[in-house]
Amino acid sequence: QVQLEQSGAEVKKPGASVKVSCKASGYPFTSYGINWVRQAPGQGLEWMGWISADNGNTNFAQKLQGRVSLTTDTSTNRVYMELRSLRSDDTAVYYCARGGRWLQFSVPLDSWGQGTLVTVSS
Amino acid sequence: DIQMTQSPSSLSASVGDRVTITCRASQGITNYLAWFQQKPGKPPELLIFAASTLQSGVPSRFSGSGSGTEFTLIISSLQPEDVATYYCQNYNSAPPWTFGQGTKVEIK
Repeated sequence: QVQLEQSGAEVKKPGASVKVSCKASGYPFTSYGINWVRQAPGQGLEWMGWISADNGNTNFAQKLQGRVSLTTDTSTNRVYMELRSLRSDDTAVYYCARGGRWLQFSVPLDSWGQGTLVTVSS
Repeated sequence: DIQMTQSPSSLSASVGDRVTITCRASQGITNYLAWFQQKPGKPPELLIFAASTLQSGVPSRFSGSGSGTEFTLIISSLQPEDVATYYCQNYNSAPPWTFGQGTKVEIK
């Protein structure tokens, strides 16, 4: 079965960076893309960005442009999300979710990771 | 970017009631609309995709309809286990793919 397993919780100071991993299994990794979605405490879902697992093409939410990057490692079926220059309002649960790949975009987010809590505090 | 607007933001209904949630897109997205259910402390789960197709394993009391810019999620007979927050999301063509702000469903 499709599984997305995320790395563990992180506590970071303002201005630092965080890197969260998402390991995919149970399906052909390069046939899909991976989205990242975050949820601040008590708030709704915010789409952050997407990477196509076959060619590494990416797209990001405008408000995060320049602070977020996504990379893939096809040898281990992992996707990495790095967020830089962390602020207190980046405190959130971060989710990865399977979706479409490059030029096959219109695929719903049908499988989600368990979430990774990132806390930004001095 | 396409904006998604859900209404209401919250609702309270009795067990057995019919519940309707609306989602409007700022521009046409044909039927590339998904609905998610999220229970506290859990990741979202896909309920409906392509506006009206039930994801495998989802109870038949859930249904979706609409196309273009107006979409609806209906729970035909609300059950206690349906207490959750529901989100719509467009996944039309290329990203970004935005979520609605969510609708919190509670039992009266």
